[in-house]
Amino acid sequence: ETGVTQTPRHLVMGMTNKKSLKCEQHLGHNAMYWYKQSAKKPLELMFVYSLEERVENNSVPSRFSPECPNSSHLFLHLHTLQPEDSALYLCASSQGHPPGNSPLHFGNGTRLTVT
Amino acid sequence: GQNIDQPTEMTATEGAIVQINCTYQTSGFNGLFWYQQHAGEAPTFLSYNVLDGLEEKGRFSSFLSRSKGYSYLLLKELQMKDSASYLCAAYSGSARQLTFGSGTQLTVLP
Repeated sequence: ETGVTQTPRHLVMGMTNKKSLKCEQHLGHNAMYWYKQSAKKPLELMFVYSLEERVENNSVPSRFSPECPNSSHLFLHLHTLQPEDSALYLCASSQGHPPGNSPLHFGNGTRLTVT
Repeated sequence: GQNIDQPTEMTATEGAIVQINCTYQTSGFNGLFWYQQHAGEAPTFLSYNVLDGLEEKGRFSSFLSRSKGYSYLLLKELQMKDSASYLCAAYSGSARQLTFGSGTQLTVLP
């Protein structure tokens, strides 16, 4: 058990659809993250929430919209995506931000395919 | 700026020792993480080095040289289950940023 749960594990959506990814952490951490992982590329940080406040937004297109209703839950709302957005989306949490000495705990990710 | 380099792929034999290298160019460097990621699973934390030298955790050890911008992960007595991608990530305290490498896919052969 990783302590960070993501649903769904797999998602196929058309470019006109709207869907949401969900993440829940059971570790009592106060920071949560969305990362994008594409084949053969480094993990790309998308958003960071610390104490439920968005503290980083790394020039992510507006078709990705995060939401953090409380310290245990994180959502990523998706709409009008492009095929190049197909990737593994990983949620992570840590105790404190930035994660200088505190390792990130990752979920298993959502494999997203945009058709 | 932040830049991380690690080999894309490595192959080794069960029972052997393998060393996965990582070089970094990180302004305001604080420390170096290693994560293991099995296919279709979450990356899991292996080690965090802040000081120069070797830190050992069972079959896995991690080394850091701050002056050379270099780290390695050493895996001993390789097992089939060690086949995975190994990610190094450098943390910059001044930039408040964690930068990941592209990962090294290790295949352990019988």
